[in-house]
Amino acid sequence: KAGVTQTPRYLIKTRGQQVTLSCSPISGHRSVSWYQQTPGQGLQFLFEYFSETQRNKGNFPGRFSGRQFSNSRSEMNVSTLELGDSALYLCASSLGGLGGDEQFFGPGTRLTVL
Amino acid sequence: TQLLEQSPQFLSIQEGENLTVYCNSSSVFSSLQWYRQEPGEGPVLLVTVVTGGEVKKLKRLTFQFGDARKDSSLHITAAQPGDTGLYLCAGANTGNQFYFGTGTSLTVIP
Repeated sequence: KAGVTQTPRYLIKTRGQQVTLSCSPISGHRSVSWYQQTPGQGLQFLFEYFSETQRNKGNFPGRFSGRQFSNSRSEMNVSTLELGDSALYLCASSLGGLGGDEQFFGPGTRLTVL
Repeated sequence: TQLLEQSPQFLSIQEGENLTVYCNSSSVFSSLQWYRQEPGEGPVLLVTVVTGGEVKKLKRLTFQFGDARKDSSLHITAAQPGDTGLYLCAGANTGNQFYFGTGTSLTVIP
């Protein structure tokens, strides 16, 4: 069974631009969660989508948004990029059961904002 | 707000030594997971514990979930260089939202 895939793996943008990251979950997984990882803050939860609906949301500004498609693939969008948005963005997929299903992570997208 | 505190933050030991990493919180979790992450890659799930007091063993790794489901520990016996990495604990609430710990960076010196 193929793992979680994320594209692109690396991205360089300038301040003020916007970016879209993509995540394809493991086949059969209906939940996709997005995380931001930085050396100073560690892994921070952005949001979780389940069956095309946002089910959970972390404490990030509205510049960070996402969506999920009917095939469970998910995209994350960041508008008006800031230098502080430079980070490794990880997505994780799970079956989606409540109470903490096992999550499987993709390799991440390394975003650098100049 | 960091719900899960891990200690120590950094650990450098010689091959063959034993070590314990702690993951503590004031919150109760439905389940708790441990991951290992290597540079440039996503975290890889090691184990999930769901019952208070549960102990799980994976070869040289022993995981324990506290009786009150607020804390956990990871013990590695006879550490090897291949154990080097960032160890993360993550607690899940009933709504399937995960809260990650601050991480423990382990280096095992040959």
